[in-house]
Amino acid sequence: GAGVSQSPRYKVAKRGQDVALRCDPISGHVSLFWYQQALGQGPEFLTYFQNEAQLDKSGLPSDRFFAERPEGSVSTLKIQRTQQEDSAVYLCASSWDRSYEQYFGPGTRLTVT
Amino acid sequence: AQTVTQSQPEMSVQEAETVTLSCTYDTSESDYYLFWYKQPPSRQMILVIRQEAYKQQNATENRFSVNFQKAAKSFSLKISDSQLGDAAMYFCAYLNSGGSNYKLTFGKGTLLTVNP
Repeated sequence: GAGVSQSPRYKVAKRGQDVALRCDPISGHVSLFWYQQALGQGPEFLTYFQNEAQLDKSGLPSDRFFAERPEGSVSTLKIQRTQQEDSAVYLCASSWDRSYEQYFGPGTRLTVT
Repeated sequence: AQTVTQSQPEMSVQEAETVTLSCTYDTSESDYYLFWYKQPPSRQMILVIRQEAYKQQNATENRFSVNFQKAAKSFSLKISDSQLGDAAMYFCAYLNSGGSNYKLTFGKGTLLTVNP
């Protein structure tokens, strides 16, 4: 079937605005991950869901970052009061239950001006 | 905490030749997986190859193979018969399979250029 999709692909926000980034995982995938990839860096873990339960949010950089997956499928990463340091590509990945292989979406490139 | 180090920010190779990308990692865990991911420009990350730590045999996938040295905590990727389509950023990644969170820890990446 279809792979992991993310929207929007590009987002420009003025400093202080709130943004919402969406991830549609592969159908049937239980696990969902969000990563942040700064320019020229490797992705860094933000948060992990198993179905609708957020089991690990240790990577969220501040309380301005919030993620949800209310029905265990689509997930939204919300960033409140965006700052310039939030500029990055936000990657979503999903996997089967207890599988070690993650499938990545194309990412959302967020630019905060 | 686990760390992954890729000491080569950039590498280049001639088409049809062989190149090796280096990766070292640090962990106190005994159950883990190691991966190489490829990220072409403006395209999504795809899995190239993976290695289970408990397996002594090195993983291979067509032109891609790894040299896994567990004691040295080294995990290099060899690309044989390089093709233009291999040009991309390559990330080494670690996953602790003994835990409950299967998050990936990535290195900073190696940008591979393939010259015709």
